[in-house]
Amino acid sequence: DAKTTQPNSMESNEEEPVHLPCNHSTISGTDYIHWYRQLPSQGPEYVIHGLTSNVNNRMASLAIAEDRKSSTLILHRATLRDAAVYYCILEGNNNDMRFGAGTRLTVKP
Amino acid sequence: NAGVTQTPKFQVLKTGQSMTLQCAQDMNHEYMSWYRQDPGMGLRLIHYSVGAGITDQGEVPNGYNVSRSTTEDFPLRLLSAAPSQTSVYFCASSYSRLGNEQFFGPGTRLTVL
Repeated sequence: DAKTTQPNSMESNEEEPVHLPCNHSTISGTDYIHWYRQLPSQGPEYVIHGLTSNVNNRMASLAIAEDRKSSTLILHRATLRDAAVYYCILEGNNNDMRFGAGTRLTVKP
Repeated sequence: NAGVTQTPKFQVLKTGQSMTLQCAQDMNHEYMSWYRQDPGMGLRLIHYSVGAGITDQGEVPNGYNVSRSTTEDFPLRLLSAAPSQTSVYFCASSYSRLGNEQFFGPGTRLTVL
């Protein structure tokens, strides 16, 4: 199964941009790259997903490397409510969505 | 829309007891799945369904059964509860299996004594 690697934790200051990296060197050509986040005591919440091209939505941007072996979730202006665990997940025909340990984002006021 | 609902919110069982965790969605989604999350860890897929009458195993299916008789409901049955099944269980649904946003329920916190 394709696997992702993320830093265990990251810190950011409020109102500054945050770049959350994810490595997925064994990604296959048909795997989607998903990002979810989980606030304390809640279920995961969808953030964004993409296949090959960069994606933007109201929550974040997803930048996908040209070789697709890495991606970066960009929060343009972090708020205290963005403090959560962020999961980078691959999903494809041969692998179901598997959540790793994720990156715990701390946002400092 | 209520989205994805799960009942109960909390449950305590004794070893060997059986129970069913309920999950329902009102978005007419074809794909539904069950995950468990142990403390400090990510979610692990238990079972999933790509439509009514179709179910399949995920990463950690042992000790659990599922069925999908309707599009809306996807119950998870614990056959004989064990302390190792103490966890938080999340149900999720999406329009289809690949490349879609999954909507998660609020979770059921299960303790097996």
